[in-house]
Amino acid sequence: EVQLLESGGGLVQPGGSLRLSCEASGITFHAYAAGWVRQAPGKGLEWVSSISGSAISTYYADSVRGRFIISRDKSKNTLYLQMNSLRAEDTAVYYCAKDLYYDSSTIFDYWGQGTLVTVSS
Amino acid sequence: EIVLTQSPATLSLSPGERATLSCRASQSISSYLAWYQQTPGQAPRLLIYSASNRATGIPARFSGSGSGTDFTLTISSLEPEDFAVYYCQQRSNWPSCSFGQGTKLEIK
Repeated sequence: EVQLLESGGGLVQPGGSLRLSCEASGITFHAYAAGWVRQAPGKGLEWVSSISGSAISTYYADSVRGRFIISRDKSKNTLYLQMNSLRAEDTAVYYCAKDLYYDSSTIFDYWGQGTLVTVSS
Repeated sequence: EIVLTQSPATLSLSPGERATLSCRASQSISSYLAWYQQTPGQAPRLLIYSASNRATGIPARFSGSGSGTDFTLTISSLEPEDFAVYYCQQRSNWPSCSFGQGTKLEIK
């Protein structure tokens, strides 16, 4: 059974940093692209970032480009999202998601349960 | 920027009825459309990709159709567990993608 488990969320002040992790089990995670999708409280879904299975290619939404960095560790079957210069509008539940394919397609067939990031002073 | 508009915002139906949800794109997206289901407090679940392909493990009562700018998700006979929020997602402007605002399917 495929499982994705996020961690690293919490309360951070504006301008601060946070690193999210997503550990996969039941799957060879690096055989697929993966991504992060967020959902602000009571709102819809917003794609944040994706990374290819090889980790060579990374992609970002305009709203986070230059502030967030996506990466993955093949040996740990883990996906990361380094979030810097955080703003109040980054407050959301962040979902880790597995892509259907090795090269990023943004078709996400498995999702974690999410981790809440709150940016507030 | 490609905008997806879902209608209706809320759909009230009874178990056993047929549900038809709409997603319209602001410009042609070919068949680069997916549908997701989200129940309260849960992560989204992929139902349909490439407009009409059912994801693994998705019951046959879910079907998707459309191409270009107009797409439909149909649930042939509603089960109690189908009452949820449904999102469409386009990936025509890959590597970016965007979601619609959602349709809430509620029990009448």
